[in-house]
Amino acid sequence: GAVVSQHPSRVICKSGTSVKIECRSLDFQATTMFWYRQFPKKSLMLMATSNEGSKATYEQGVEKDKFLINHASLTLSTLTVTSAHPEDSSFYICSASDGKLPDEKLFFGSGTQLSVL
Amino acid sequence: AQKVTQAQTEISVVEKEDVTLDCVYETRDTTYYLFWYKQPPSGELVFLIRRNSFDEQNEISGRYSWNFQKSTSSFNFTITASQVVDSAVYFCALILTTDSWGKLQFGAGTQVVVTP
Repeated sequence: GAVVSQHPSRVICKSGTSVKIECRSLDFQATTMFWYRQFPKKSLMLMATSNEGSKATYEQGVEKDKFLINHASLTLSTLTVTSAHPEDSSFYICSASDGKLPDEKLFFGSGTQLSVL
Repeated sequence: AQKVTQAQTEISVVEKEDVTLDCVYETRDTTYYLFWYKQPPSGELVFLIRRNSFDEQNEISGRYSWNFQKSTSSFNFTITASQVVDSAVYFCALILTTDSWGKLQFGAGTQVVVTP
């Protein structure tokens, strides 16, 4: 079945550095991908919608300059956490729809645990 | 706006016991989809089921079963004869049929702990 691959699964970085997270759709093209943030024992909160070939759409309260999203191809979206700080530590998950009507499904990556020291 | 409530934060059961996860939703729209996802410790969300608001027929898939009742706006999920591998966080979610995937509304999740 369709698979979304997310890398890295875990990253530890120093405060002030930038971290890039990749989300790939492995066997389907995704014009739209989604990025979520999940705090411990909490639900997923949509951060932004990544659109291939155009600017991402950010949810209210999400800093565009902090969380840079690039969707340069139909199979790859990247989330860069710039100048990371400890409060950015969280679990980040991406998702993509296979767009296969009428039973279109949304698939999720395995997530990235970011720890900022 | 849509809202999904999973009142149970954590449920602990012993293996082979049945466990039912509650999901109550709120929406003013008449056409929507309901979902259940499983999030094991590895982190990935695994799709379990999607239900159309027009289809109230209950469904069974192996040890999993779902009870959809529009009258009470509930979409409950039962795991029969639970196993240790069922230990995970389970999310109920809702989306209007007219919305994009970005509008998928998740509940807070229920942690299921199955002990041997």
